[in-house]
Amino acid sequence: EDQVTQSPEALRLQEGESSSLNCSYTVSGLRGLFWYRQDPGKGPEFLFTLYSAGEEKEKERLKATLTKKESFLHITAPKPEDSATYLCAVLGGSNYKLTFGKGTLLTVNP
Amino acid sequence: DGGITQSPKYLFRKEGQNVTLSCEQNLNHDAMYWYRQDPGQGLRLIYYSQIVNDFQKGDIAEGYSVSREKKESFPLTVTSAQKNPTAFYLCASSLSDTQYFGPGTRLTVL
Repeated sequence: EDQVTQSPEALRLQEGESSSLNCSYTVSGLRGLFWYRQDPGKGPEFLFTLYSAGEEKEKERLKATLTKKESFLHITAPKPEDSATYLCAVLGGSNYKLTFGKGTLLTVNP
Repeated sequence: DGGITQSPKYLFRKEGQNVTLSCEQNLNHDAMYWYRQDPGQGLRLIYYSQIVNDFQKGDIAEGYSVSREKKESFPLTVTSAQKNPTAFYLCASSLSDTQYFGPGTRLTVL
């Protein structure tokens, strides 16, 4: 069974203080690892898809990386508007089902 | 403007009543999904449909039913058999592996 564990559960940063969120996974035949951002009371917003170890993708202050066991979401010089819950999910084997982690709640203080 | 719409945004139900949540997409995506989100838990798959007139149970299908009569629409009915229906319900669609989410419906059972 596919499993995703995200850490930390919550992270509080000062504006401009860079950090990383972790997503550890076990999956049979990774087809994709996905990062989403979710604001309170809203649906998840797609950020990145990573397909193979060594792959990296960037968008503004966010950079996602992938190894064979985990993915990191690096946040460089965050701003208060980056505050949200960040979700990681994997798609494996012949599944059509995404397996989600519980998320990391990021708070960026001005 | 392409996207996924869900209605209503908030829904209140008395115990013993069935309710239907709407999900519509104009992205021309073949696949559609329903997830449930509870505090402190990852998103869990209820039902999914890869093609019109076909759908499959997810991990937590008991007490729910769906239909897929049109490519654009994938309504979810929460029946009185669902023991704990209060939750945030999310609809998603995909063309390939990446799933895109709607804004969600918050269902509260009174």
